[in-house]
Amino acid sequence: SQQGEEDPQALSIQEGENATMNCSYKTSINNLQWYRQNSGRGLVHLILIRSNEREKHSGRLRVTLDTSKKSSSLLITASRAADTASYFCATEGSGGFKTIFGAGTRLFVKA
Amino acid sequence: KAGVTQTPRYLIKTRGQQVTLSCSPISGHRSVSWYQQTPGQGLQFLFEYFSETQRNKGNFPGRFSGRQFSNSRSEMNVSTLELGDSALYLCASSLDIRGAGNTIYFGEGSWLTVV
Repeated sequence: SQQGEEDPQALSIQEGENATMNCSYKTSINNLQWYRQNSGRGLVHLILIRSNEREKHSGRLRVTLDTSKKSSSLLITASRAADTASYFCATEGSGGFKTIFGAGTRLFVKA
Repeated sequence: KAGVTQTPRYLIKTRGQQVTLSCSPISGHRSVSWYQQTPGQGLQFLFEYFSETQRNKGNFPGRFSGRQFSNSRSEMNVSTLELGDSALYLCASSLDIRGAGNTIYFGEGSWLTVV
């Protein structure tokens, strides 16, 4: 089964609102990464947070990591129509290099 | 610096045929992974190659195989194609430095349609 599970599966918001997506995983990790995928394209790396970090920012993105709950959240502030995409979390396990992706959250931002 | 390049971008095959997809990783990247993406199943890990050796493998039948060459370029092959193999096949590469938090760089994918 997938290591990372995103929640919600789909999210529809108005432009300017914040979007929050969550990711839960099952085993210990070295780091957790978030990726974005525009329809039918490859995935693009957004941000990486290491297991010893609790929060990280990059522009309008804020990622938190709670290793005790084995969960992470991605917050996109002041969303834009161009943020419409699928967002995936990916975990790099502490036992090796294998990175596993979740099923993704589909975000739709209405202009 | 060129990104991950996948060829072909689009192809249509007939059930029972076989197909080979190619991936050129970013220069210097030694790890290449392949993923299958379908609307119903999401992003499924196929296999990962490092220094010409398959290091990890997902839960796919033996019809799916791959290899990596000495220049890190990789190919994946699907034999005896089935309709359910229709998907976007994504290749990804990374530097693969232990503990460094390896960013994975994806190609644009190869769209395979099996008719």
